[in-house]
Amino acid sequence: QKEVEQDPGPLSVPEGAIVSLNCTYSNSAFQYFMWYRQYSRKGPELLMYTYSSGNKEDGRFTAQVDKSSKYISLFIRDSQPSDSATYLCAIKAAVDQGAQKLVFGQGTRLTINP
Amino acid sequence: KAGVTQTPRYLIKTRGQQVTLSCSPISGHRSVSWYQQTPGQGLQFLFEYFSETQRNKGNFPGRFSGRQFSNSRSEMNVSTLELGDSALYLCASSLEGQLYEQYFGPGTRLTVT
Repeated sequence: QKEVEQDPGPLSVPEGAIVSLNCTYSNSAFQYFMWYRQYSRKGPELLMYTYSSGNKEDGRFTAQVDKSSKYISLFIRDSQPSDSATYLCAIKAAVDQGAQKLVFGQGTRLTINP
Repeated sequence: KAGVTQTPRYLIKTRGQQVTLSCSPISGHRSVSWYQQTPGQGLQFLFEYFSETQRNKGNFPGRFSGRQFSNSRSEMNVSTLELGDSALYLCASSLEGQLYEQYFGPGTRLTVT
C-alpha cells in the first residue's frame, strides 16, 4: 500500500467552480500535510501546510485534514484559468533514527476552462 | 530573497555517462533535499543533506549520490546513466526541522539517450 494515494485525474471544471482535490494516507502517525501546485515545466510551489485536523484557509484556497479518516483535501473557490496546474499533496513522514522525509501523492492534473 | 536555483536547467547525456547537477538553496536554509520526478513514478525522494551530512536516503541505487558543501550548496551525481534515469531532478531547501515548509527549485531536466 502506498503511503499517500491521490487520484491523478485529469480533472476539468468550468471557471468559477469550486474544486475539490483529495488524498488519503496510510499512517496515522503522520502529522504535517502539505499542498503544492506545479505548473508545466516548473518546480512545485508550496501552497500551504497544516498540522492538525481541521481547516486552514488562505485566500481562495482551503486545506482540510481529517485524521480520523486519514483524508486530506484542498478546496479552490472561484477557480480561475490560472489555477490550471498539477496539484500534489505531501505528508511529512518519520524514518529511521529520527530522520524525516516528504512523501508525495501522484498529483492531480487540473484544468479550469474559461 | 532569492529562491532555490538549479543548474543546468536542461541536460542531454548518453547511456553509461555520468552527470552532476547543482543546487543553491535559499539563503539561510541548511537542509537540502533532492527528488526525482517522472510521469510514471511521480515525485520520489532521493536524499536529504544537512550541515554537509546525508541524513536520509530514498530507495535508489548507489549510482545516485550527493554531497553538500559548507555554504549549503549541494550537488547530486548519477553515474553509469540508464535510459530510465531520464527525469526532472528537483532540489528543495528548508530551515532545519521544517521539511513541511520546503521550497523547490525549477529543476534540471535530464534526458538520457
